[in-house]
Amino acid sequence: AQSVTQLDSQVPVFEEAPVELRCNYSSSVSVYLFWYVQYPNQGLQLLLKYLSGSTLVKGINGFEAEFNKSQTSFHLRKPSVHISDTAEYFCAVSDRNRDDKIIFGKGTRLHILP
Amino acid sequence: GAGVSQTPSNKVTEKGKYVELRCDPISGHTALYWYRQSLGQGPEFLIYFQGTGAADDSGLPNDRFFAVRPEGSVSTLKIQRTERGDSAVYLCASSPGPEQETQYFGPGTRLLVL
Repeated sequence: AQSVTQLDSQVPVFEEAPVELRCNYSSSVSVYLFWYVQYPNQGLQLLLKYLSGSTLVKGINGFEAEFNKSQTSFHLRKPSVHISDTAEYFCAVSDRNRDDKIIFGKGTRLHILP
Repeated sequence: GAGVSQTPSNKVTEKGKYVELRCDPISGHTALYWYRQSLGQGPEFLIYFQGTGAADDSGLPNDRFFAVRPEGSVSTLKIQRTERGDSAVYLCASSPGPEQETQYFGPGTRLLVL
């Protein structure tokens, strides 16, 4: 079974400052890793995903994440945030050898301060 | 192209009533998933269809919950004898098929049981 831990439920950041949203996972099998974003009153949107290959993954809106197998982490980063990045961010994992469910973390709410 | 659509967007019902929630996946997607997102939580897996059959229903919380996908496209999630604890946002997602790891989410149905 897999599980995902997002260590911060809320992260306040000043506009144009860098941000890191932390994610750790546990799994006994090989996994795919995802970050989804949920803007206010909108559905979940895929931000980026790690399937294989380079451990640094670039996504939409200037976000990137780094897969660290030894630390079982997949932290999300952005060098300079904008007010439009205000949203809930979900880290997620799925079993690489199955086609079924995605396991989500509880989410991190990103607050951008003016 | 149209994304995943869900109807209704909001549903208010009374405790003990029966409700149906509908999901229209992206055209051609053979895999369909239902998740439930309670307030302040990440989405939790309910059931996964590959074509017309339920490949994994291990996330359904009890036998009051049932889902169908009779023609391999539209799916309906059915909840009998609703309880206040069923109040949540019900999310539907689809993917092109086996070994397609990315799931595309609909906007959700917000269910409120009074």
